[in-house]
Amino acid sequence: KAGVTQTPRYLIKTRGQQVTLSCSPISGHRSVSWYQQTPGQGLQFLFEYFSETQRNKGNFPGRFSGRQFSNSRSEMNVSTLELGDSALYLCASSAQGQGELFFGEGSRLTVL
Amino acid sequence: AQSVTQPDIHITVSEGASLELRCNYSYGATPYLFWYVQSPGQGLQLLLKYFSGDTLVQGIKGFEAEFKRSQSSFNLRKPSVHWSDAAEYFCAVGESGSYIPTFGRGTSLIVHP
Repeated sequence: KAGVTQTPRYLIKTRGQQVTLSCSPISGHRSVSWYQQTPGQGLQFLFEYFSETQRNKGNFPGRFSGRQFSNSRSEMNVSTLELGDSALYLCASSAQGQGELFFGEGSRLTVL
Repeated sequence: AQSVTQPDIHITVSEGASLELRCNYSYGATPYLFWYVQSPGQGLQLLLKYFSGDTLVQGIKGFEAEFKRSQSSFNLRKPSVHWSDAAEYFCAVGESGSYIPTFGRGTSLIVHP
């Protein structure tokens, strides 16, 4: 069974631009979560989607948004990029409501 | 609300030495407990999990963890550390019906040759 796939793995943007990151979950997993990881703040929860609906949202500004498609694939978008948005963005999928997550390798975003 | 505390930000051990990473949680009911490992630049990988039953759980890569309800702890152990174990380790607690676990801040393991 294929794991969680995130694209792109690395990207460089400049301030003010926007970026879209993609995540394909493990087949059969309907829940997809996104996390931001930085050295200073650690692992922070962005949002979770289940069957195309955002069920949970972390404490991030409205510049951070996401969506989930009918095949469970998910995208997250960050608009008007700021230097502080530089981070590793991790996607995770889950099949059971117990907290067990399967992570992708992440998308490393650098904002210049 | 759930919370997870990993009191050690960094741990340094010599290769071949034993390892124990501490994790304390706060949760009212019986929790679902996890340990994840993250190698540099990679995503998190599940090492082991505790849902119920035997309080000593075995995981991948020779790791084990023990759930101690009286101490609200779920410490990770390995009898002999290898250089390839150098990574970031995260403890997490989940609950029934929730797809969003609460993560600790992580412990960075440094292995000296």
